[in-house]
Amino acid sequence: DAGVTQSPTHLIKTRGQQVTLRCSPKSGHDTVSWYQQALGQGPQFIFQYYEEEERQRGNFPDRFSGHQFPNYSSELNVNALLLGDSALYLCASSLYPAGQGAETQYFGPGTRLLVL
Amino acid sequence: AQSVTQLDSQVPVFEEAPVELRCNYSSSVSVYLFWYVQYPNQGLQLLLKYLSGSTLVKGINGFEAEFNKSQTSFHLRKPSVHISDTAEYFCAVSASFLGTQGGSEKLVFGKGTKLTVNP
Repeated sequence: DAGVTQSPTHLIKTRGQQVTLRCSPKSGHDTVSWYQQALGQGPQFIFQYYEEEERQRGNFPDRFSGHQFPNYSSELNVNALLLGDSALYLCASSLYPAGQGAETQYFGPGTRLLVL
Repeated sequence: AQSVTQLDSQVPVFEEAPVELRCNYSSSVSVYLFWYVQYPNQGLQLLLKYLSGSTLVKGINGFEAEFNKSQTSFHLRKPSVHISDTAEYFCAVSASFLGTQGGSEKLVFGKGTKLTVNP
């Protein structure tokens, strides 16, 4: 059973650049959520995609955007990178509707982004 | 809105000793509760979850947690820890209902508790 996969594992960018992170959900899952985990902190919810639409969004600026593809994989894009965007970016997947696991999210290994 | 407080940022214990990691939550609605573990330089692994039913939940690696609605707590316990349990542990909460828009309710995490098991 393939778990959640993310690419790349590590990334170094400079301020002002743009970055794209990728996520493939666990086999059979249709919902993808993205979280940002700053050093020494718990993950913070960025947004969630279901049926190729953004369904929920956390308190993140519009520089953070995403996409979900018909095969349920997802991308997270961050424009105009700031030093404060340095973090571990985690992708989580789940299956809608309720009663079939929508309440439980399974996480990938993350992409560590360093902005210089 | 939900929030989570993990009362201890660091917990050092000796191998084979019992451990309790504390978690309190705040919510105006019914919730689901989760504990995740994060080993160094890795993602989050689900340890256990409370959705409904029995308030004592058993998870992987010998961990268990008890949901206490009156005290809004969901403390994690293990009767005898191993060196390999050294990791960061996160308590998380989500609302226990799904909107008509589909998908899952977002998880709200605590700041984590670093468990260090010493020989």
